Amino acid sequence: GESVGLHLPTLSVQEGDNSIINCAYSNSASDYFIWYKQESGKGPQFIIDIRSNMDKRQGQRVTVLLNKTVKHLSLQIAATQPGDSAVYFCAENSRGAGSYQLTFGKGTKLSVIP
Amino acid sequence: GAGVSQTPSNKVTEKGKYVELRCDPISGHTALYWYRQSLGQGPEFLIYFQGTGAADDSGLPNDRFFAVRPEGSVSTLKIQRTERGDSAVYLCASSLSPARGQETQYFGPGTRLLVL
Repeated sequence: GESVGLHLPTLSVQEGDNSIINCAYSNSASDYFIWYKQESGKGPQFIIDIRSNMDKRQGQRVTVLLNKTVKHLSLQIAATQPGDSAVYFCAENSRGAGSYQLTFGKGTKLSVIP
Repeated sequence: GAGVSQTPSNKVTEKGKYVELRCDPISGHTALYWYRQSLGQGPEFLIYFQGTGAADDSGLPNDRFFAVRPEGSVSTLKIQRTERGDSAVYLCASSLSPARGQETQYFGPGTRLLVL
């Protein structure tokens, strides 16, 4: 659901299980999407990106799915590990607007239970 | 290789003072971005440089905020007459060549600004 202020949506998963983090975006003109991981006190760390001409992209233990019809993005993490605990942000950009600024979502806090 | 670096890592100042925050992008990256992140929120765009010029400064909240990148590498974000509401983490990112499709933004650790 929506988060306000400090109340981030939280996902708790057991170590070794798969995690799915969801993100809805509103700009139908967005054509580039990116997921970041942010640990406490650190800057966002790039995980994976995808362009709007694709609907799936895989990395190491991660998969991003893009559904442009419903403007939905998801990040799947396989075999979740304690080191995956962090806040995850999706971000979007519309290059057609002439800028490469990213618009970030509110974030989801992932907690991995050992 | 070296990532994006930002100095200082923490800055405490008094209301009304002037502050400068520095960003060193990844070597060879042509684009540089500044974002601001408040507690519990995602980063918010401030300004984007392509080379030496500000290609998009639409995110700067008011004229107290200014940024420069005189030689197309290091950038400085300048805040005049700081207010308590300016307290946040200021993040810098760089990307290799967004106009050529190399637009992945890599972030630095941020500068934590506290205005008392």
